Amino acid sequence: DGGITQSPKYLFRKEGQNVTLSCEQNLNHDAMYWYRQDPGQGLRLIYYSQIVNDFQKGDIAEGYSVSREKKESFPLTVTSAQKNPTAFYLCASSIVGLAGAARSYNEQFFGPGTRLTVL
Amino acid sequence: KQEVTQIPAALSVPEGENLVLNCSFTDSAIYNLQWFRQDPGKGLTSLLLIQSSQREQTSGRLNASLDKSSGRSTLYIAASQPGDSATYLCAVRPRRYSGAGSYQLTFGKGTKLSVIP
Repeated sequence: DGGITQSPKYLFRKEGQNVTLSCEQNLNHDAMYWYRQDPGQGLRLIYYSQIVNDFQKGDIAEGYSVSREKKESFPLTVTSAQKNPTAFYLCASSIVGLAGAARSYNEQFFGPGTRLTVL
Repeated sequence: KQEVTQIPAALSVPEGENLVLNCSFTDSAIYNLQWFRQDPGKGLTSLLLIQSSQREQTSGRLNASLDKSSGRSTLYIAASQPGDSATYLCAVRPRRYSGAGSYQLTFGKGTKLSVIP
């Protein structure tokens, strides 16, 4: 049963604490993404990775860090430097098109999300 | 910078009605456009993806159209059902063949649909 899993579903953070959100996929996708969703706003990209051991900052990377040591896993750490971390966090993945060859459509598939609340 | 707008922000219709959700984008240089559904407190479910070279895509009661030159897409839902109640999001991917941002989606804020039994 292929898909994307995120854990935990709910996470509470104290002031000054770092927390890590897990994202795992068994779709054999090369690319993975982290988005943040706030009420009344569209999803905003935090970080993305097109290949193992490589990742790029999105629009709102400040206060976050990621790693991509395995193709299946793309954990996101919310550091104490992130001043307003309360939000719904969504992980996604997609295949990567080949430059100059038959190009994939790169449809993105999403996990169920983690809701982070600062106490 | 690409901006995606969805109007209306909320829509309420009686069961059985056909309806149209709108999505507009400011930069027509897109690679594709994707429509998603999001239930409260849940992740996004991909509904339809339209390549920039396509005019429309259909899946069951859903039909999405794309007019790239005017920067518009519509999602048509036929014979609406209470189970269609959710927030519908559209997102565009830029036409860049490599480098940072080539796979980045820009999302609209969504249209919250309520189908009344």
